Amino acid sequence: GNSVTQMEGPVTLSEEAFLTINCTYTATGYPSLFWYVQYPGEGLQLLLKATKADDKGSNKGFEATYRKETTSFHLEKGSVQVSDSAVYFCALSGPDSNYQLIWGAGTKLIIKP
Amino acid sequence: GAGVSQSPSNKVTEKGKDVELRCDPISGHTALYWYRQSLGQGLEFLIYFQGNSAPDKSGLPSDRFSAERTGGSVSTLTIQRTQQEDSAVYLCASSLGDILQAGNTIYFGEGSWLTVV
Repeated sequence: GNSVTQMEGPVTLSEEAFLTINCTYTATGYPSLFWYVQYPGEGLQLLLKATKADDKGSNKGFEATYRKETTSFHLEKGSVQVSDSAVYFCALSGPDSNYQLIWGAGTKLIIKP
Repeated sequence: GAGVSQSPSNKVTEKGKDVELRCDPISGHTALYWYRQSLGQGLEFLIYFQGNSAPDKSGLPSDRFSAERTGGSVSTLTIQRTQQEDSAVYLCASSLGDILQAGNTIYFGEGSWLTVV
C-alpha cells in the first residue's frame, strides 16, 4: 500500500542555515505529493504541492521537487528563519489511496537565532 | 466562512463522558474529513464525507465514535464513553471536491484539543 517516510526530528538549525527535510514515498502510479506545515498553536496548512513527476512546488522560500526515479519529495530552503520553526508533514494522494491523504509522521524543525 | 472553523478549541472531559466536536467547513466545499493527531504522531484518518454520498467510516477506531454531516455543511464528531486514549487533537478539513482532482486542496481547521482525565 501507499506510505510516506520522513526523516525523524527534531531537526535543530541555526538561523540562515540550509534546510533539507527528507521525504520518500511508496505508491503505485503517479501520486500527488504535498508538504503541510503546522506552526505552534495553529492548524495544518498547505505549504506546497506537486502533481506530476519533475514538478517543483515552491512557497515562502521552500521548494520540493517530485522525483519519480528516487520516489522522493525532499523539502529544502536556502536560508531558514526562526519563524520557520514548526512541524512539517509530507503527504501523498494517489489512485490507491482514493480520497485519503497518506501522511508522514511529521518532522519538528527548531531554528535557533 | 473564510476558513474551516472548529469548536470547541479545547475540551477537558472526565472519562466515561460523551463529547461532541463541531466542524464548519469552508462554504461550498463538498468534501469534509475528520482526522486525529495524537501527541508526537502523524495524522490518522477517521471519516470522510463527500456530497450526498454515504460517508466512509473506515477510519473510526471503535463504535464509540460516530459522525454526521447535516445539510451537506456542518459536521459533528461524537465520542461516547470517552477513554484516556481518546485524548488527541481532532482535526477537520474540507476541500472543494475530490482531492485527486487537479487543483483541489484540502484545508484544515485549527483542531479541537481533547483531554480525557
